[in-house]
Amino acid sequence: EAQVTQNPRYLITVTGKKLTVTCSQNMNHEYMSWYRQDPGLGLRQIYYSMNVEVTDKGDVPEGYKVSRKEKRNFPLILESPSPNQTSLYFCASSSPANTEAFFGQGTRLTVV
Amino acid sequence: GESVGLHLPTLSVQEGDNSIINCAYSNSASDYFIWYKQESGKGPQFIIDIRSNMDKRQGQRVTVLLNKTVKHLSLQIAATQPGDSAVYFCAERGAGGGNKLTFGTGTQLKVEL
Repeated sequence: EAQVTQNPRYLITVTGKKLTVTCSQNMNHEYMSWYRQDPGLGLRQIYYSMNVEVTDKGDVPEGYKVSRKEKRNFPLILESPSPNQTSLYFCASSSPANTEAFFGQGTRLTVV
Repeated sequence: GESVGLHLPTLSVQEGDNSIINCAYSNSASDYFIWYKQESGKGPQFIIDIRSNMDKRQGQRVTVLLNKTVKHLSLQIAATQPGDSAVYFCAERGAGGGNKLTFGTGTQLKVEL
């Protein structure tokens, strides 16, 4: 089954404690992205990657890092989480051939 | 003190009626416009897209209309069903590649039986 898998689904952490949210896709897609979703603001892109070792900032990259060492994986790293990073996070992947992006189930992060 | 949440625009329709969800976009350089559906507890799901050089595109029970003059996009759902209840987002794809999407804030569609 074609899918994008994020882990964990839920995470509560404390300010300053480094964390990583993993994302993996099994569709051999070149493009991958991370979004955060906040009430009234829709989804905003954090980082995106057009291929292995190629990453670029989205609209709200501050406080986040990503890496793309393998085509299937695109982890999101919060080196020093802060409460304003409490949000619902989505990973997505897509092919250059079309516009359809496939989203994961989401990771709800709470930073206290 | 009293707290005020940020509420999504809501469209309520009767089952079987047609629904029209509207969206205004800002970037004239976008090459595609896309509609996504997000059900509670799930990630967004692709519905339909339209290229910027088109005015109308039809899918199964859905039609997307694009008016570039006023930068307006709409999604029409025919014979709305309870399973259509969700939040609907429009998105624009930047012409620079990478499928970089800019999403609208969403509209909550509620289907009443």
